[in-house]
Amino acid sequence: SAVISQKPSRDICQRGTSLTIQCQVDSQVTMMFWYRQQPGQSLTLIATANQGSEATYESGFVIDKFPISRPNLTFSTLTVSNMSPEDSSIYLCSGRSSGAYEQYFGPGTRLTVT
Amino acid sequence: DQQVKQNSPSLSVQEGRISILNCDYTNSMFDYFLWYKKYPAEGPTFLISISSIKDKNEDGRFTVFLNKSAKHLSLHIVPSQPGDSAVYFCAASVEYGNKLVFGAGTILRVKS
Repeated sequence: SAVISQKPSRDICQRGTSLTIQCQVDSQVTMMFWYRQQPGQSLTLIATANQGSEATYESGFVIDKFPISRPNLTFSTLTVSNMSPEDSSIYLCSGRSSGAYEQYFGPGTRLTVT
Repeated sequence: DQQVKQNSPSLSVQEGRISILNCDYTNSMFDYFLWYKKYPAEGPTFLISISSIKDKNEDGRFTVFLNKSAKHLSLHIVPSQPGDSAVYFCAASVEYGNKLVFGAGTILRVKS
């Protein structure tokens, strides 16, 4: 299985500010994804992080609000911009290895916006 | 539009007995199905998966059954152990592992 780490593990942020979450995967991973889990809800895919190019966003998510970078194969960042209390969620990074179908998840970043 | 549904929010089972978690889906284009287990303050952990061309996959105490005509899958855990107590998520993909769509989750409690 792939090893995936995220930081920070949690943060409390003020309304209107931005937070960048980092995700590091081991070298087996070729595909990387970002998910959100709002309180009491399931996981929702935000976007696929593409190496060296713009991320592919799912319906309801836009680049201005959730800019994503993936400068190399093993590292990606998600920024939550101009935060509001509705952005309070757990943000999770995942990876999938070439030839495998399952995704492996990082421990998540718990974000609280006040 | 909830494409993957887990209609039981919670399930309580006695240690040693079978746990059966259910999942229904609506999108006939799903080609791969997965089960994840999640403990509080941790990311989901992959458990077991099944391709849409199969109807059963087994891995130790875990077995997943797929009924394509009914658009239904289930996860069987035998025997259940107290350490199995967690939230279980059903997930489905239309791109063989990409773009996972998750169900709402079922809280499993295994009583000793």
